[in-house]
Amino acid sequence: GESVGLHLPTLSVQEGDNSIINCAYSNSASDYFIWYKQESGKGPQFIIDIRSNMDKRQGQRVTVLLNKTVKHLSLQIAATQPGDSAVYFCADLSGGYQKVTFGTGTKLQVIP
Amino acid sequence: EAQVTQNPRYLITVTGKKLTVTCSQNMNHEYMSWYRQDPGLGLRQIYYSMNVEVTDKGDVPEGYKVSRKEKRNFPLILESPSPNQTSLYFCASSSLALAGVGYEQYFGPGTRLTVT
Repeated sequence: GESVGLHLPTLSVQEGDNSIINCAYSNSASDYFIWYKQESGKGPQFIIDIRSNMDKRQGQRVTVLLNKTVKHLSLQIAATQPGDSAVYFCADLSGGYQKVTFGTGTKLQVIP
Repeated sequence: EAQVTQNPRYLITVTGKKLTVTCSQNMNHEYMSWYRQDPGLGLRQIYYSMNVEVTDKGDVPEGYKVSRKEKRNFPLILESPSPNQTSLYFCASSSLALAGVGYEQYFGPGTRLTVT
């Protein structure tokens, strides 16, 4: 719900502009990464994933970049729309995809 | 429709009164997991299960129990709830066959628990 968005870093973007959301992870053994979108009052929703043997993956209007050297992920959203307003989480998986660790999230606000 | 359901969606209870939050999925997924979500802390994994009768601790298992007697169900049990377990809880499931390939965890709608 709304309380999830409190205390989170917020990125405000004009409608139509591109958004870049960043995430750092700490486990060097993580080998799979996912970005989730969470709208108010709902559970997280899968957006895009990337394996550790890749450094870039593109989806529809979204691109994920992975830099394993500095343990950093980014999510790029092209032509941001009001419907993109949500909290975005990265998650890294390790232990044969059993353990899932989420980042703390970034709130994206799209200004019409 | 493929979905993960949780019940109840909202629960207010008192310290020490045992409760169970149910989770059910209709996708024949092997993997199921419970998370709690708290402001400023994100989602933290409580327990997960790779298949029937196979469960393991996540990052914050203290005060919780789970069971996986059937593939579709993965209940979360709080034997003696305390106020620090007030949180938003999510159940999720996924297919292990797709892990690392087109892996997608499906999340339930969440259960908001308040322990007074």
